[in-house]
Amino acid sequence: LAKTTQPISMDSYEGQEVNITCSHNNIATNDYITWYQQFPSQGPRFIIQGYKTKVTNEVASLFIPADRKSSTLSLPRVSLSDTAVYYCLVVNDYKLSFGAGTTVTVRA
Amino acid sequence: GAVVSQHPSRVICKSGTSVKIECRSLDFQATTMFWYRQFPKQSLMLMATSNEGSKATYEQGVEKDKFLINHASLTLSTLTVTSAHPEDSSFYICSARLAGGLQETQYFGPGTRLLVL
Repeated sequence: LAKTTQPISMDSYEGQEVNITCSHNNIATNDYITWYQQFPSQGPRFIIQGYKTKVTNEVASLFIPADRKSSTLSLPRVSLSDTAVYYCLVVNDYKLSFGAGTTVTVRA
Repeated sequence: GAVVSQHPSRVICKSGTSVKIECRSLDFQATTMFWYRQFPKQSLMLMATSNEGSKATYEQGVEKDKFLINHASLTLSTLTVTSAHPEDSSFYICSARLAGGLQETQYFGPGTRLLVL
């Protein structure tokens, strides 16, 4: 399984854009990059998934450079309710390996 | 779409008893479901992969006789914690694999909080 590295924590304020970068140097050709969000005492929620370039949905954008060795999750105009742990995963053979994630704290 | 439910949401039991947790995919069929365990302030740890109609595959260090998994249908997997002890107290989360096309995504249930007294 490709290992991922992401910052332990990030602080932000309401209305700002939050960008979380994840490194996955050993990503394989068939791997997809997936991001999940988890609130305390809840299961992870799927945010976005991509293979290359840029993917956007109603919640976030995912930027993946050509070499695919990193990816950046962009959360536009965060609110207090976006305070959560965000996990970056490289999906290989459908087995997910969760790292420590990034704890994003949004302040008023 | 892609909703996964778990029941119960929380359970308190006495040491030595067995507890069954259900995981259901509500609007899709899942040939593969997964069971995770999460201790406070830690990340999710995969316990086992549950395959419909066949035996579950357990991760290293997870006792298969203690954590019994049954995946009898395409929408239901159950995890039974047998002879539970206080150290089994944790947050148990299941996920169901939604397969299709070039991308595969896992959708997670809301989790079950187990407290063993």
